[in-house]
Amino acid sequence: DTAVSQTPKYLVTQMGNDKSIKCEQNLGHDTMYWYKQDSKKFLKIMFSYNNKELIINETVPNRFSPKSPDKAHLNLHINSLELGDSAVYFCASSQVSTGLYGYTFGSGTRLTVV
Amino acid sequence: AQSVAQPEDQVNVAEGNPLTVKCTYSVSGNPYLFWYVQYPNRGLQFLLKYITGDNLVKGSYGFEAEFNKSQTSFHLKKPSALVSDSALYFCAVRDTGGNNRLAFGKGNQVVVIP
Repeated sequence: DTAVSQTPKYLVTQMGNDKSIKCEQNLGHDTMYWYKQDSKKFLKIMFSYNNKELIINETVPNRFSPKSPDKAHLNLHINSLELGDSAVYFCASSQVSTGLYGYTFGSGTRLTVV
Repeated sequence: AQSVAQPEDQVNVAEGNPLTVKCTYSVSGNPYLFWYVQYPNRGLQFLLKYITGDNLVKGSYGFEAEFNKSQTSFHLKKPSALVSDSALYFCAVRDTGGNNRLAFGKGNQVVVIP
């Protein structure tokens, strides 16, 4: 059983399109995250939800909109895709309320905008 | 803000030799420190963490890390490197703002030479 699963694994799309990436965790964790890994492998947090409530909203373009329908799911919708959005996007989860601060990561979604 | 620094870009080591990957941290208060490993085209995997207690922390795959408060370091070590240890290693520190944000270092590519 995959603990944190993301779909799709690969996404190739044209500039200007709108796309979504889905994430689900079956660990019962209360907090989920989106990180962006650029071509130099730098990891930067984008968003975090705790029990469906947005708690971290970094400086990202408002073309990026996260949605958490329940605490096991965190989706990322991107409008009007640009070349610079090409990256690997990682979803992660953690159980903050019990002090398990480490993250469990998904395997990533490689987004290529052409 | 909390941060970590990984001063080297790449670490080359011969198989069977000791492996060290360096990390220094900058925090206000007590640090919560983590090491993750990323294999090609995979998500990050948790190796070990330091929250409190023993300065020597043992983790997965034979890795350990030593917390050194006076040197503000948390170096990752393995006594005898394997070719399969070739990967990207990230040090991370937990933000103390209560939102469980992890700030990652830039990553170190480890190459174990047969």
